[in-house]
Amino acid sequence: GAGVSQSPRYKVAKRGQDVALRCDPISGHVSLFWYQQALGQGPEFLTYFQNEAQLDKSGLPSDRFFAERPEGSVSTLKIQRTQQEDSAVYLCASSLIGLNEKLFFGSGTQLSVL
Amino acid sequence: RKEVEQDPGPFNVPEGATVAFNCTYSNSASQSFFWYRQDCRKEPKLLMSVYSSGNEDGRFTAQLNRASQYISLLIRDSKLSDSATYLCVVNPGGSYIPTFGRGTSLIVHP
Repeated sequence: GAGVSQSPRYKVAKRGQDVALRCDPISGHVSLFWYQQALGQGPEFLTYFQNEAQLDKSGLPSDRFFAERPEGSVSTLKIQRTQQEDSAVYLCASSLIGLNEKLFFGSGTQLSVL
Repeated sequence: RKEVEQDPGPFNVPEGATVAFNCTYSNSASQSFFWYRQDCRKEPKLLMSVYSSGNEDGRFTAQLNRASQYISLLIRDSKLSDSATYLCVVNPGGSYIPTFGRGTSLIVHP
C-alpha cells in the first residue's frame, strides 16, 4: 500500500496483559515515530527511529513500553502489563529522511485496557 | 509551561466566516513549523507548512512571528467541511522531535 499501515485498528486488553502494536511505514521512509494520543489532546511523542536505530526514546512513559524496528522498516510497540492509563490511540508516523519534514500518519491503534 | 500551546476552543463559526488560530512555542531556536488537520477519530494530515515569509494555499494562510514566538492559521470563507481539529507542530531546537500542540477545535455551522 501507499500509506502507513497500522494493526490492529482496535485492541481491547485486560489489565496486566501484554500487547504488541504494529506499524508498517511508507516504503523507503527512513524516519519512524510513535506517538500516544489521549482523547481531546494532541499526539505526545513516545520514540523515534532512524532506520533500525532508536535515536530517542525519551517519551516512553515507563519501562513497560518497548519499541523496536529491527530491519529498518516495520516497527512494533510493545506494552507489558498494561494499565488502564495506557488506554489511548497509538499513532505511528514516518517521514522520508529527517526530522524537519512532514509526517505521514497511520490510522492508529485504539487501545482500551479494561 | 508546555513547549507548544494552543487554545483548545471550540471555535464555533458560521459558514463564510473568517477565523484565525494562534499557536505559541517556547523554544526560540525552533526550526520548522506545520499545521495539521485531524478529523474526528482519524489520523492527523498535513495541512500546510509555515514559512518565515508567510504562505497561502487557497483559503488558508499561515504566518510565523519569530519575535513573539507564535504561528497562526487564517481560514477565509469557512466551509462546513473545515470542521476539524487543527494541530500546530513545532520542531524545537536540540532534539528536533516534532512536538504537537493539543489542537484547536473548529466547528463551522450552517
